[in-house]
Amino acid sequence: DTAVSQTPKYLVTQMGNDKSIKCEQNLGHDTMYWYKQDSKKFLKIMFSYNNKELIINETVPNRFSPKSPDKAHLNLHINSLELGDSAVYFCASSQGIGYTFGSGTRLTVV
Amino acid sequence: DAKTTQPPSMDCAEGRAANLPCNHSTISGNEYVYWYRQIHSQGPQYIIHGLKNNETNEMASLIITEDRKSSTLILPHATLRDTAVYYCIVSSNNNDMRFGAGTRLTVKP
Repeated sequence: DTAVSQTPKYLVTQMGNDKSIKCEQNLGHDTMYWYKQDSKKFLKIMFSYNNKELIINETVPNRFSPKSPDKAHLNLHINSLELGDSAVYFCASSQGIGYTFGSGTRLTVV
Repeated sequence: DAKTTQPPSMDCAEGRAANLPCNHSTISGNEYVYWYRQIHSQGPQYIIHGLKNNETNEMASLIITEDRKSSTLILPHATLRDTAVYYCIVSSNNNDMRFGAGTRLTVKP
């Protein structure tokens, strides 16, 4: 039973499309995150939510919109996809010390 | 602006201790030192954290210098499965982890 699960695991799509990545955690954690890891392997925070409330919003294009319907879910919707959005996106959750990460979603924009 | 400095890569022989250094000379009094690692193609994994005392858990030991300006993560008996990128993070907020470039540790047979 996966603690932090992301779907889909792989996503290949054309430029200009709109896509969503879903994340669910069954750990009962209050805080969830989205990170982006680009081709150079730098892992950067994008958003974090605490009990459905946005607490971190880095300088991310407004084409990216996180949505948290409840504290167990944090989905990432991306509009008008661009080539530069190709990356691995990781969802994570935490309650106190230590994040638990999902296995990532590899997004390829062609 | 990076809060931590780590060597880009290190090698370690299987079965030997792996000592991974981290410099954080500008650390503030309320900032903790956290270590994570990322095994190839997986999400990062929390290892250990500390404020000023040395810490040990089932995965590793964390040694923090008295002035707190540097720390060392120790994997006492490295295995091939410990090959990963290790990240040292300094933060005062449990909910704000900023990852740097890390150290790529290669454990060799």
